[in-house]
Amino acid sequence: NAGVTQTPKFQVLKTGQSMTLQCAQDMNHNSMYWYRQDPGMGLRLIYYSASEGTTDKGEVPNGYNVSRLNKREFSLRLESAAPSQTSVYFCASSEARPGEQYFGPGTRLTVT
Amino acid sequence: QQQVKQSPQSLIVQKGGISIINCAYENTAFDYFPWYQQFPGKGPALLIAIRPDVSEKKEGRFTISFNKSAKQFSLHIMDSQPGDSATYFCAADSWGKLQFGAGTQVVVTP
Repeated sequence: NAGVTQTPKFQVLKTGQSMTLQCAQDMNHNSMYWYRQDPGMGLRLIYYSASEGTTDKGEVPNGYNVSRLNKREFSLRLESAAPSQTSVYFCASSEARPGEQYFGPGTRLTVT
Repeated sequence: QQQVKQSPQSLIVQKGGISIINCAYENTAFDYFPWYQQFPGKGPALLIAIRPDVSEKKEGRFTISFNKSAKQFSLHIMDSQPGDSATYFCAADSWGKLQFGAGTQVVVTP
């Protein structure tokens, strides 16, 4: 089992460009999450999906959109990238409760 | 505002020593308190977790102490090893969104 996979691993964008971060899990989990990690700020929730077909905003949703394509896949889209979105992005999934999450390896995004 | 406050921001401990990381929370609805370990360039991984009906949980060299009345919990790493060098995050869950602390970078020197 691969667990949670994310693509790409690294990305450099220019201000105003758009891109989609992909996430997939093979653990048959219902819930999936997108976080961003910035130095000294821990992990901040961007969006989450409690089940297929539902999505909800987290702590820092502005500038992002998400799609829960099916039970396995949850994508994060930046429509018009800004330097403030330079960060490391993590996708995670959980089955039983939010406290028991499995994280992907992350995508390091730089916006110039 | 950060719902889970974590300290210290970083700590250096000698091999064989004890690492102690502290966390505090305000929301009494939290009922599950996990700790995550993150190595450089990797995603966080669940290390150990505790529910508020117990005061201590031990798994190998890692122990969580929980003080419900003070709304505080801590992670103790006994006999710290260089392989324990990582960033540790405390978190709190109320069957809603998981709230993370800001993280503690632990460096274990040989």
